[in-house]
Amino acid sequence: EIVLTQSPGTLSLSPGDRATLSCRASQSVSNNYLAWYQQKPGQAPRLLIYATSSRATDIPDRFSGSGSGTDFTLTISRLEPEDFAVYSCQLYTTSSRYIFGRGTKLEIK
Amino acid sequence: QVQLVESGGGLVKPGGSLRLSCTTSGFTFTDYYMSWIRQTPGKGLEWVSSISSGGSTIYYADSVKGRFTISRDNAKNSLYVQMNSLRADDTAIYYCARRASSHYFDSWGQGILVTVSS
Repeated sequence: EIVLTQSPGTLSLSPGDRATLSCRASQSVSNNYLAWYQQKPGQAPRLLIYATSSRATDIPDRFSGSGSGTDFTLTISRLEPEDFAVYSCQLYTTSSRYIFGRGTKLEIK
Repeated sequence: QVQLVESGGGLVKPGGSLRLSCTTSGFTFTDYYMSWIRQTPGKGLEWVSSISSGGSTIYYADSVKGRFTISRDNAKNSLYVQMNSLRADDTAIYYCARRASSHYFDSWGQGILVTVSS
């Protein structure tokens, strides 16, 4: 079974910094089925990126996704105060299952 | 606007049962697969089950197969999950989510807490 490993577990940065979050799959996967979510305390996850690099509706262009094969990246070009949250990647597998990574907590330094 | 509202959560003893409901509005319910996803502090987000728009195709995570049953009532724009033989590790916040065509979840409910404890 495919495992998604997110790193780092916690990322401490300041507003205005660039954030780079990693999601690594244990085997090569389709770009079409990799998504990223943002979650703030007490809230449901919010879709940010789908199909590796497509931004969801109303998501600012400072959020971007990239990658292929086993390595995928979420980049936030310039952190705003509201961007500090937990980010999770998600994959749809060929066995019709959905897998989530454990998440990266982006905290204010 | 799209709304998904879960209900039916609560405290249940190990071995007990619970039925969660998700009432939706703001979109054409019959156009979408729907899913249940749960979240625990220790394990993060975990997909539980999905059901096709017409209800004929259903998938379950191995961790709940044989114990949980997903269903939908398209006339009521509602999604359900019947949870039987509940265990302590089923304790989680359960989210109802709308699945988009490319297998991601574009709308989520606010979540409902299920606690399995004696």
